Amino acid sequence: SQTIHQWPATLVQPVGSPLSLECTVEGTSNPNLYWYRQAAGRGLQLLFYSVGIGQISSEVPQNLSASRPQDRQFILSSKKLLLSDSGFYLCAWSSSEYTDTQYFGPGTRLTVL
Amino acid sequence: DAKTTQPPSMDCAEGRAANLPCNHSTISGNEYVYWYRQIHSQGPQYIIHGLKNNETNEMASLIITEDRKSSTLILPHATLRDTAVYYCIVRVPLRYGGATNKLIFGTGTLLAVQP
Repeated sequence: SQTIHQWPATLVQPVGSPLSLECTVEGTSNPNLYWYRQAAGRGLQLLFYSVGIGQISSEVPQNLSASRPQDRQFILSSKKLLLSDSGFYLCAWSSSEYTDTQYFGPGTRLTVL
Repeated sequence: DAKTTQPPSMDCAEGRAANLPCNHSTISGNEYVYWYRQIHSQGPQYIIHGLKNNETNEMASLIITEDRKSSTLILPHATLRDTAVYYCIVRVPLRYGGATNKLIFGTGTLLAVQP
């Protein structure tokens, strides 16, 4: 069966510091990968998605970037965090088959102070 | 912008069926309706999805109206562990003919199951 991991689970960072969040998927090959962000009391917003190694598409302009160095690894980064980057970050995967479902990881709660 | 409208909250007695409504009047012909739920501080959990026909799995049933402008998620025997925010979502394709898709989340319905 497939599993998705995210770390760290929680993170408190000062404004202006760098960020690196990691997501890995097990039990599948060539997944589609997604990064979502959830602001307090709101639904999830898609930030980035990837259909393969080195292929990243951005959905919204922002202070963040994403990379996919390996088939089942997806990284969310920032060079300098802003207060507005605080939120709950969720990674999801789906099969590369058409109409397949997205499955979410446990999330990382980021607080920027 | 979310393509669905849901009531902000609902109550349900434990052991009774929970019926969660959703309006998606602007849905397009190739867009699926998905339901997820999120327990506080956890990642969303997939429940069920459908395009035109009613669907049932071990967790729930999904009833989609013939015009596809609304749907209802049914939890047949709600338990306290079903207390969560339930999201009705329209899934839209990100690339024509591709397999990547985007879930457009709204603010969901907070279902409170009462003992």
